[in-house]
Amino acid sequence: GENVEQHPSTLSVQEGDSAVIKCTYSDSASNYFPWYKQELGKGPQLIIDIRSNVGEKKDQRIAVTLNKTAKHFSLHITETQPEDSAVYFCAARPNQGGKLIFGQGTELSVKP
Amino acid sequence: DTGVSQDPRHKITKRGQNVTFRCDPISEHNRLYWYRQTLGQGPEFLTYFQNEAQLEKSRLLSDRFSAERPKGSFSTLEIQRTEQGDSAMYLCASSFGGNYGYTFGSGTRLTVV
Repeated sequence: GENVEQHPSTLSVQEGDSAVIKCTYSDSASNYFPWYKQELGKGPQLIIDIRSNVGEKKDQRIAVTLNKTAKHFSLHITETQPEDSAVYFCAARPNQGGKLIFGQGTELSVKP
Repeated sequence: DTGVSQDPRHKITKRGQNVTFRCDPISEHNRLYWYRQTLGQGPEFLTYFQNEAQLEKSRLLSDRFSAERPKGSFSTLEIQRTEQGDSAMYLCASSFGGNYGYTFGSGTRLTVV
């Protein structure tokens, strides 16, 4: 069935370093890949997304890459700051306009 | 419009009781989604609506769960005969059509004792 695997489950970096989170998906028909940031007690917040016709997208310190052949996509955060500390989720949409399948989450800790 | 609103924020109920949650989506969004999230896990899909039509339900969704969106605006999620395993955060999200990202609400945390 549809599945999204996310690694690592926890990630600790020093302020100013880069952080990379990786996801793989099972359904080759997936066409939309968003990333969400969730802070304690809040709902997930969309931070960046990429569609299957694009290989890379960047928004300030955040970038996402997609490799459709290998069925994996990654989130890159550069120049990390303490306020980047949160749980990050990747997701994939297996068909047009339908549900999202989420990864298990990565708890990112940025140490000052 | 201040985003997706969910009510209540917290609910404690005794096992066997029925509970109902409400979600008010962003007004111009025609799609509304319900997800469940347990501690340390990603959100798990339950069901979604386009306007008032319920287009998909998870096969994992027990028949004790029912959702409605009667006028294509707000939605309710009811859980009948609650069990301890129903304890989770219930998240609602909305989107403008199927080609855009979701906006999530802050969720309703259910505790079944």
